Amino acid sequence: GNSVTQMEGPVTLSEEAFLTINCTYTATGYPSLFWYVQYPGEGLQLLLKATKADDKGSNKGFEATYRKETTSFHLEKGSVQVSDSAVYFCALSGLYDKVIFGPGTSLSVIP
Amino acid sequence: DTAVSQTPKYLVTQMGNDKSIKCEQNLGHDTMYWYKQDSKKFLKIMFSYNNKELIINETVPNRFSPKSPDKAHLNLHINSLELGDSAVYFCASSRAQFNEKLFFGSGTQLSVL
Repeated sequence: GNSVTQMEGPVTLSEEAFLTINCTYTATGYPSLFWYVQYPGEGLQLLLKATKADDKGSNKGFEATYRKETTSFHLEKGSVQVSDSAVYFCALSGLYDKVIFGPGTSLSVIP
Repeated sequence: DTAVSQTPKYLVTQMGNDKSIKCEQNLGHDTMYWYKQDSKKFLKIMFSYNNKELIINETVPNRFSPKSPDKAHLNLHINSLELGDSAVYFCASSRAQFNEKLFFGSGTQLSVL
């Protein structure tokens, strides 16, 4: 079945550092890929998505590129802020299938 | 104004009790979900309804019973609560069944003592 694997956290970075959170997936066909973010005490919210190979999703300075050859969808941001501290979830959805979430990666950004 | 609202935000109860969590969405979406998030933040789908019809029922004990009186509401009733039921429960909705952005409520923290 479909599955999502993420790098284990927690990740701790200094403000303005470069962020990469790795995500790889296993799926049949051509799933859509997502990054969701969960701020403390809140529900998840969609950060960005990509629906086909080589698509790049971007939002709030975050980017991720759908790489079918490596089955990856790594999240990157050039300069993190304290306000980016949250848990980040990689997710996929098959064409006629439910959304499957990765285990989440906790990010702490220190001033 | 809240798109997906769930109540209560916190629920503390004794083992063996029965409790309910309510969820409402004002987005006009057709599909609603219940997710369970454990202490390690792992998120697992429990149920999904599309236009009041149950479409996803993962391996969940039958002590958990969802009810959708209309497509804007999806409630979760839990009988005979157990310690292992302690978690954060999230309601979510989406415009359609598949391949759609999910909108989450802010969660209900359930603690079973």
